[in-house]
Amino acid sequence: NAGVTQTPKFQVLKTGQSMTLQCAQDMNHNSMYWYRQDPGMGLRLIYYSASEGTTDKGEVPNGYNVSRLNKREFSLRLESAAPSQTSVYFCASSEAAGINEKLFFGSGTQLSVL
Amino acid sequence: SQKIEQNSEALNIQEGKTATLTCNYTNYSPAYLQWYRQDPGRGPVFLLLIRENEKEKRKERLKVTFDTTLKQSLFHITASQPADSATYLCALVGSGNTPLVFGKGTRLSVIA
Repeated sequence: NAGVTQTPKFQVLKTGQSMTLQCAQDMNHNSMYWYRQDPGMGLRLIYYSASEGTTDKGEVPNGYNVSRLNKREFSLRLESAAPSQTSVYFCASSEAAGINEKLFFGSGTQLSVL
Repeated sequence: SQKIEQNSEALNIQEGKTATLTCNYTNYSPAYLQWYRQDPGRGPVFLLLIRENEKEKRKERLKVTFDTTLKQSLFHITASQPADSATYLCALVGSGNTPLVFGKGTRLSVIA
């Protein structure tokens, strides 16, 4: 069982470049999430998708866009990368948003913006 | 403002002892609270969920308590082992039933 798969695992960008982080889950989960993790800041929610066809902003959405391509896939796009977006990005999924949501995480993407 | 605080960034204990980690929150009224484990270079892994009407939950060597009056959860690992060394995160549902909000974590080191 693959669970939540993120690609790429590592990426280095120059300021102003764009890229898309890919995430797919094979657990038939309805809800998917993007978090970033920075030293001393913990995990912070960027965007989430409670169900296919919906997306909502989290705590730190500025500079990012998301697409819920289908039930399995949820991508995160950086249109013009900035050094402040250097972070480790985690995708997660759950059966449903709200009560009893237990999150399953991918292994993360380490992104450096120079 | 809403806050989740895990009382220490790092905790060192000797093998065989009980590790106790603390999670305090302010300006939340969570319906439930969760604990996750994160190893270096990996994503967090779910461990336990405790609901507001449950005072205590156990799973093998793990025990979680939830005191909504004190606004605190305690996470215990009994008979700790070096393999328990990891960062432990608490998480709860924010206002309006929004997705999980995480604390910054406590890095536990169990020394043989």
